[in-house]
Amino acid sequence: DSGVTQTPKHLITATGQRVTLRCSPRSGDLSVYWYQQSLDQGLQFLIQYYNGEERAKGNILERFSAQQFPDLHSELNLSSLELGDSALYFCASSATRGGYGELFFGEGSRLTVL
Amino acid sequence: GENVEQHPSTLSVQEGDSAVIKCTYSDSASNYFPWYKQELGKRPQLIIDIRSNVGEKKDQRIAVTLNKTAKHFSLHITETQPEDSAVYFCAASIGQGGSEKLVFGKGTKLTVNP
Repeated sequence: DSGVTQTPKHLITATGQRVTLRCSPRSGDLSVYWYQQSLDQGLQFLIQYYNGEERAKGNILERFSAQQFPDLHSELNLSSLELGDSALYFCASSATRGGYGELFFGEGSRLTVL
Repeated sequence: GENVEQHPSTLSVQEGDSAVIKCTYSDSASNYFPWYKQELGKRPQLIIDIRSNVGEKKDQRIAVTLNKTAKHFSLHITETQPEDSAVYFCAASIGQGGSEKLVFGKGTKLTVNP
């Protein structure tokens, strides 16, 4: 158990819909990262927050947005969903601010868009 | 650039043999290079990492080497065992000034045959 909690574990929805994925980091970790994992693309970095502020951004689509709340949990919002958005979405947390140090991954949220 | 190239994409070895996975990166400022192991249906977990001021690091049967001049680093697993079968991801820190992000390669699926 990494200490990172993600909900929901599985989500099935239709094209055009909007979903919210939630992540609670390990106790004490201020950094939260979101990654998208699809079969042929490995782990694609989406976005990173540190203590409520956006710190780094990857190839995150404009239809996607995220935020980190004062209690340090984070949410990833995916809207106008397309078939290609089907993937496993991982949240990870770390004690460091930058891209150094161990990332502790949650179990992931598997999104299926039909 | 923000690319991390990883080869091979699949690797099959006999139990007891060695396995080598190679990665190249494009950002000359990158200075942190972790390796993650993802077993089937599970979350990625850090197995070893190296910083740019070190050329090699070992931990029991695994080792990582780094050539900063050539911008490539490698994972070496000796005396492979069936439980080493997993997908291995290399990563490199991209960016500076507290806004670094960890960019992953596309992964190598390692199969160790008994």
